[in-house]
Amino acid sequence: KNEVEQSPQNLTAQEGEFITINCSYSVGISALHWLQQHPGGGIVSLFMLSSGKKKHGRLIATINIQEKHSSLHITASHPRDSAVYICAPLRGAQKLVFGQGTRLTINP
Amino acid sequence: SAVISQKPSRDICQRGTSLTIQCQVDSQVTMMFWYRQQPGQSLTLIATANQGSEATYESGFVIDKFPISRPNLTFSTLTVSNMSPEDSSIYLCSVRLPEETQYFGPGTRLLVL
Repeated sequence: KNEVEQSPQNLTAQEGEFITINCSYSVGISALHWLQQHPGGGIVSLFMLSSGKKKHGRLIATINIQEKHSSLHITASHPRDSAVYICAPLRGAQKLVFGQGTRLTINP
Repeated sequence: SAVISQKPSRDICQRGTSLTIQCQVDSQVTMMFWYRQQPGQSLTLIATANQGSEATYESGFVIDKFPISRPNLTFSTLTVSNMSPEDSSIYLCSVRLPEETQYFGPGTRLLVL
């Protein structure tokens, strides 16, 4: 079993839909990152969170440390949100453990 | 924040040769990492580049194959030695600032023929 499990692996939706990507992990962590990777390969960290909820624009990330679960939500989705979203718990002080990613496609 | 540049951005290399990838950060950082992303896969940590000492390698990666230099707090190199087609990947440099998120370089796309 992988240390980090994301679902779904692929998601296609229409513009404007509310999107949820889930992440479950089995390791003890100090924080968790949500990363966005565009087709060109560049990776951007969207959130780093260790408890509760964070919001940035149309993006919301939540984490439940006790349940070892995090979610990334996108409201009013747009074609430019099309990317791979990667959950990456931080194990200890240094090591990120990466999920396999969720490929999101938003159609106009 | 941190801005990271990598050189080269992409390269096509012949089997058996070596390629050195450079990573430059616009600020001094303690924690610098090298990752590999094989086609269709997520990221895998190769090593943590330590300033003034040898890099710390993850299981499955060795110094002879992936020598790393870290001469100062803003610069590092990763060499992919004696390349084979299995080394075709995106190689990414990344840094983490204290109490902050993690920043990634644009990546180096390597194709080994």
